[in-house]
Amino acid sequence: DAGVIQSPRHEVTEMGQEVTLRCKPISGHNSLFWYRQTMMRGLELLIYFNNNVPIDDSGMPEDRFSAKMPNASFSTLKIQPSEPRDSAVYFCASSFEDRVYSNQPQHFGDGTRLSIL
Amino acid sequence: GDSVTQMEGPVTLSEEAFLTINCTYTATGYPSLFWYVQYPGEGLQLLLKATKADDKGSNKGFEATYRKETTSFHLEKGSVQVSDSAVYFCALGTSTTSGTYKYIFGTGTRLKVLA
Repeated sequence: DAGVIQSPRHEVTEMGQEVTLRCKPISGHNSLFWYRQTMMRGLELLIYFNNNVPIDDSGMPEDRFSAKMPNASFSTLKIQPSEPRDSAVYFCASSFEDRVYSNQPQHFGDGTRLSIL
Repeated sequence: GDSVTQMEGPVTLSEEAFLTINCTYTATGYPSLFWYVQYPGEGLQLLLKATKADDKGSNKGFEATYRKETTSFHLEKGSVQVSDSAVYFCALGTSTTSGTYKYIFGTGTRLKVLA
């Protein structure tokens, strides 16, 4: 299995620019998660999709952040406009969940290291 | 609400020393419990899991037992190696009333093993 694939691996851009992070979950997985990791705040859940529908977006910091999952094999996290405090490593994770195979582990991508200058 | 508490790091050990990283949880239902490991520059990887009380998860010499009576899931390894240096995360997964699932991660414990 290819694992969760994220792109780009690194992104450096100036504040005010639009940033789009991409994620391809593991084939067959029906849940997808976006996390942000910083030294100060640790690992934070931003948004959680199940069957392509956003279930919990309470962790999305503000309106500058948006996430979409147009189909089962692709998701994007967009920041517009970006600010220096958005600098972090952003992880995408996927899992398979249903009422029989509950509480399955999440599989993480290698992350996108984002630097906003 | 549900939560996970794990010991503060960093933990620094000599090679071949015994490792314990404490993890306790609070949950209203019957969660599954996980340990993940993160090596530098990589995402989190599942290390082991346990889905019900008294289950023992094990992998690569690491073990953790799901203790419902003490609400704990401590990670142990009998003899650590330099290659075990990483950040370790305790996590729980539990069903919600709406039929979806919720995962909660601890803050992570950095382990450094010296040769």
